[in-house]
Amino acid sequence: QVQLVESGGGLVKPGGSLRLSCAASGFTFSDYYMSWIRQAPGKGLEWVSYISSSGSTIYYADSVKGRFTISRDNAKNSLYLQMNSLRAEDTAVYYCAREGDTGLLYWGQGTLVTVSS
Amino acid sequence: DIQMTQSPSSLSASVGDRVTITCRASQSISSYLNWYQQKPGKAPKLLIYAASSLQSGVPSRFSGSGSGTDFTLTISCLQVEDFATYYCQQSYSTGTTFGGGTKVEIK
Repeated sequence: QVQLVESGGGLVKPGGSLRLSCAASGFTFSDYYMSWIRQAPGKGLEWVSYISSSGSTIYYADSVKGRFTISRDNAKNSLYLQMNSLRAEDTAVYYCAREGDTGLLYWGQGTLVTVSS
Repeated sequence: DIQMTQSPSSLSASVGDRVTITCRASQSISSYLNWYQQKPGKAPKLLIYAASSLQSGVPSRFSGSGSGTDFTLTISCLQVEDFATYYCQQSYSTGTTFGGGTKVEIK
């Protein structure tokens, strides 16, 4: 069955960096576009970034552009999010999700990133 | 960016009630509209895709309608397990956007 497992979250000081990972299994990872979506505590869902199956096409939300970098390693069935210059407003649960023609059918369980001094 | 506006932001209902949630897009998105259910501490779950197609395994009491800018999610007979927060999402443009959510609470 399809599984997405995020890791790498934690507590970081403002201005710091963190790298999130998403390990995929149960499907041919290299066939699918992937996204990172976040949810601040008690708030709604916010799309963060998106990467094509080959990694050649990437988009970012304006709120993270220039600070976050999405990447993937199809040989390792893994998706990454490098987060630099972190701010308090980046505090959220970060989910990876598999893109598809019929919506975001598969999501990970999420990993919590807390930016605080 | 396409803005998605959901209403109401919250509602109270009883088991057995018919519940309707609306979602409006800031521009036409054809039928590129999906609905999700989220329970506390869990990832969102896809309910409806392409505005009106029921995701496999989702109970038939859930239905979606609409096209262009105005969309509706209806729960025909609310069950205990349906108390949750619901989000719409446009997949028309790259850089998907979500509505602000509708929390369905027990009356």
